[in-house]
Parts: sequence; C-alpha cells; structure tokens
Amino acid sequence: ETGVTQSPTHLIKTRGQQVTLRCSSQSGHNTVSWYQQALGQGPQFIFQYYREEENGRGNFPPRFSGLQFPNYSSELNVNALELDDSALYLCASSPGQPNEKLFFGSGTQLSVL
Amino acid sequence: GEDVEQSLFLSVREGDSSVINCTYTDSSSTYLYWYKQEPGAGLQLLTYIFSNMDMKQDQRLTVLLNKKDKHLSLRIADTQTGDSAIYFCAEAPNAGKSTFGDGTTLTVKP
Repeated sequence: ETGVTQSPTHLIKTRGQQVTLRCSSQSGHNTVSWYQQALGQGPQFIFQYYREEENGRGNFPPRFSGLQFPNYSSELNVNALELDDSALYLCASSPGQPNEKLFFGSGTQLSVL
Repeated sequence: GEDVEQSLFLSVREGDSSVINCTYTDSSSTYLYWYKQEPGAGLQLLTYIFSNMDMKQDQRLTVLLNKKDKHLSLRIADTQTGDSAIYFCAEAPNAGKSTFGDGTTLTVKP
C-alpha cells in the first residue's frame, strides 16, 4: 500500500506566476485535503475534495483552486503568486466521510521570489 | 473563529515524562489530534481523541481532555531522543478540516 505522494518536492517561482502542485492519495482514500504551512507555523486548511467535489474551504482567496480526479488524485493551483505564498504545501488523504484520520504527504516546498 | 494555542518550546531529559499542553476555542470540535513533525517531513498522526472522551492511552502516549476548560494535553512517558520533534495539536469537525496550533518544539537532552 503506497502512502500519500506529492510532487514536486521543491519549486521556485517568481511573483505573478502560476503553479500547480500534485498529490496522489493513499490507496482506497477518496478524500483529499490541502494545507499551507508557513515557516514556524501550523498548517492552515485550504480546501478539501471528496469524490471530485469541493467539500469545504478555508480562508484563502479564489486564486487558490483545486481539482480532484476520478482516481482521487488531486491538484492545487495557485495563480498570481505573491511572496507570502512561500510555504510548505501539504496534501493529506483520508478514507471517506466522516473521516477521523488524516495521512499526510511530505509536502511541496514553494519559494516565491 | 477557531483558535488553537500551544506553548512554543519544551525541553526534557531523556527518560523523563514530557507533557505538552494545548487549548482550543471551538466547542463543536468532534475530534482532537496530536501530530508529530520531524525536519523536512510531513505530519505524522500520533493519536486522537473523540470529544466525548476524557482520556486515551496508547503505549507511551496519554491524552487528557478537559472539555469544560477546552484543554488538551499529551504526555509522553520515558521520553527518548527520537521523540525530539515539533508536536501539533489540532481540532476538527472532521479530520480533513482541522485547525492546528503553531506547534511545540520538544527537545530531549541525553
């Protein structure tokens, strides 16, 4: 059974660019959640996808968007990157609703210059 | 809104017990979690407790919940150097929509 995998592991972008981050959920998991973790802080909930539909969103602007595919993998897209978007982006999957446990990937470290 | 507070640092000697504390504000939380994060890694779920429980024990880990005071603690017995990491408390209506504290850095000295 494979765990949650994220790609790429590191990424450098410049302000104003767009970025796509990818996540493969753990086998059998149909729910994916995305989090942003700034340096020295706890993760902040961006949004959750359940069976390809958005199922809740945190306090992030619309330039943060996502997709979930039929195989339950997911993408996080960020448009018009800002310096404050520099962070570790974590994907987590869980085996359904209601879900009790989250299984995290190792994250994508995004640096915006 | 929801808020989760933790002390930032804790230092203990190897073999001692560690107690990490957390307070939260959302009384509708169903689940309360403890995660561990090592450098360069994602978060590892250590243990969790339902909001209708007072205590949960899992090997060296003991979680205590005081729902009246909205206080959660994690006790690690016989702390080892491998326990050095950042520990996050989180609360949630469901796991995927968790609100995290800013983490407690645990340093274990030999």
